[in-house]
Amino acid sequence: AQSVTQLDSHVSVSEGTPVLLRCNYSSSYSPSLFWYVQHPNKGLQLLLKYTSAATLVKGINGFEAEFKKSETSFHLTKPSAHMSDAAEYFCVVRASGSARQLTFGSGTQLTVLP
Amino acid sequence: GAVVSQHPSWVICKSGTSVKIECRSLDFQATTMFWYRQFPKQSLMLMATSNEGSKATYEQGVEKDKFLINHASLTLSTLTVTSAHPEDSSFYICSAMGQGNQETQYFGPGTRLLVL
Repeated sequence: AQSVTQLDSHVSVSEGTPVLLRCNYSSSYSPSLFWYVQHPNKGLQLLLKYTSAATLVKGINGFEAEFKKSETSFHLTKPSAHMSDAAEYFCVVRASGSARQLTFGSGTQLTVLP
Repeated sequence: GAVVSQHPSWVICKSGTSVKIECRSLDFQATTMFWYRQFPKQSLMLMATSNEGSKATYEQGVEKDKFLINHASLTLSTLTVTSAHPEDSSFYICSAMGQGNQETQYFGPGTRLLVL
């Protein structure tokens, strides 16, 4: 079985400062990991994914995440926050070799202050 | 590419009526579609997995007779909430996975259901 823990339910940053959203995973197999973003009353948009290739994954809108097996982490970062980044972010895991179901973290609400 | 649509985007209905939500993959063929439910300020909970041409697989605790899922074609899946009650009010989101890409689910914009 796999699980995902998003360590912060809320993160608040000032515009132009770095963003760090933390995610730890647990999986019996080599996992695939994803970050999705959800704006209010909208569906989910894929930011980036890790599928056992390069451990540093670059996504859309300047986001990136690094897969660290030793720490079982997949933290999401962005060098400089923009007001439009304010949204809910979900870290998601899928165990390889299993059914194609995803396990979602509880989400992190990112607030960007002017 | 990889666009998924849902219709309607929101619906209000009376208690006891049935509501059908459509999920379409617009530019790819989806062998598998997933239906999720999301309560306010909470994460997504998988309700069921449907493969084209076969019966849906429901997660534990999800009533299959209440939430009817049909996946009749490679581009369309429907979720019907039968005899809706106020506690069924929620945000329903579908996702689709294509034949060539078994790694990524593409999500629809969601359907907000309010049962009065």
